[in-house]
Amino acid sequence: GAVVSQHPSWVICKSGTSVKIECRSLDFQATTMFWYRQFPKQSLMLMATSNEGSKATYEQGVEKDKFLINHASLTLSTLTVTSAHPEDSSFYICSARFDSLKNEQFFGPGTRLTVL
Amino acid sequence: AQSVTQPDIHITVSEGASLELRCNYSYGATPYLFWYVQSPGQGLQLLLKYFSGDTLVQGIKGFEAEFKRSQSSFNLRKPSVHWSDAAEYFCAVGDNAGNNRKLIWGLGTSLAVNP
Repeated sequence: GAVVSQHPSWVICKSGTSVKIECRSLDFQATTMFWYRQFPKQSLMLMATSNEGSKATYEQGVEKDKFLINHASLTLSTLTVTSAHPEDSSFYICSARFDSLKNEQFFGPGTRLTVL
Repeated sequence: AQSVTQPDIHITVSEGASLELRCNYSYGATPYLFWYVQSPGQGLQLLLKYFSGDTLVQGIKGFEAEFKRSQSSFNLRKPSVHWSDAAEYFCAVGDNAGNNRKLIWGLGTSLAVNP
């Protein structure tokens, strides 16, 4: 149980376009979903936390107008990278949590974004 | 402030040798502790977790970790490493402050396994 999927697994886009990444909890209802960014050979950087039906909470330094997060249901959150530029190229990982008491997060397989 | 330190950036072991990956944390209360593994280009898989109770925790793939409160450590061990264990390992502590209860991450330890 506790499976999280991400779609797409990789995407290549032109500079200036927008890209949407979906994160779904397949067999549980996620009270909270998290979006991370990971650069090569580095740890995870938390970008934002989203709770279903409310606005996402962004970490310091993350542009909320550039990285739009929507958490429309208990099983789906989306991250839209708007007007993407080459510096946005990265590995984006989502996670989901159903037990708010114990911090445990279940991770998606990640999305590799390359902006040309 | 809460923090997690993984002192070893990179470790190389021979296949069949024992392994210990170090993790130290700074947290005011009883922590929730996690070890995750990430294979190249993949998401993260939970190896094991500690919430309470027995301080020696068994996980998947033959891994175990021991919570030592006096040393603020949660080291990961495996008695005999397999080539497939080569990956990036992350230690994390649950931050229970606020409503979002985030995970605080170490920088990771990259494990290479020699045949």
